[in-house]
Amino acid sequence: EVQLVESGGGLVQPGRSLRLSCTASGFTFGDYAMSWVRQAPGKGLEWVGFIRSKAYGGTTEYAASVKGRFTISRDDSKSIAYLQMNSLKTEDTAVYYCTRVGGSWYGDYYYYYMDVWGKGTTVTVSS
Amino acid sequence: DIQMTQSPSSLSASVGDRVTITCRASQSISSYLNWYQQKPGKAPKLLIYAASSLQSGVPSRFSGSGSGTDFTLTISSLQPEDFATYYCQQSYSTLSITFGQGTRLEIK
Repeated sequence: EVQLVESGGGLVQPGRSLRLSCTASGFTFGDYAMSWVRQAPGKGLEWVGFIRSKAYGGTTEYAASVKGRFTISRDDSKSIAYLQMNSLKTEDTAVYYCTRVGGSWYGDYYYYYMDVWGKGTTVTVSS
Repeated sequence: DIQMTQSPSSLSASVGDRVTITCRASQSISSYLNWYQQKPGKAPKLLIYAASSLQSGVPSRFSGSGSGTDFTLTISSLQPEDFATYYCQQSYSTLSITFGQGTRLEIK
């Protein structure tokens, strides 16, 4: 069974750091890009960032709201993706979802999408 | 960033109704548009990718259409399990992915 399991959430004070983990199983982790999406209480979905597979350089992209504070990394040998969150703010309070980024070719074009989601882990930033 | 605007923000419908949700992009995104369904307390689920391709395992009553800036998600005959919040998401810009604000589908 294809599965993603997030861990590492909790209560943290503003300005502090937290690292989330996403453990994958049921598929060849290293073949896929991985993404993080968050959802503040009662709000919609917000993309946080993603990391490409090593075949595409393992590079990362981030939303403007977290750029410079959050870092995504991966350990393909362990099938784990990480989200390192520094200088946390109260507005970072959310459920954080890990997703697999799948894709399909149609002619010359490659379409990508988030086809597998974890159940999420809750991060609360409060003093 | 590409802005995604869904309409309506919420709607009420009955079992058996045909429902359409619209998503508009602030610039052309070709067919780089995905739809997700989210039920309360659960993770989102991919329904439609590349504007009109049905994800494996998703019932055929769900369909997507559109290209450029205007897209629709249609549920041909609402079932009780379809009451949820629906999000569109553009994947045209690999530098910045954006979601619509969501459409909450409620039972009338």
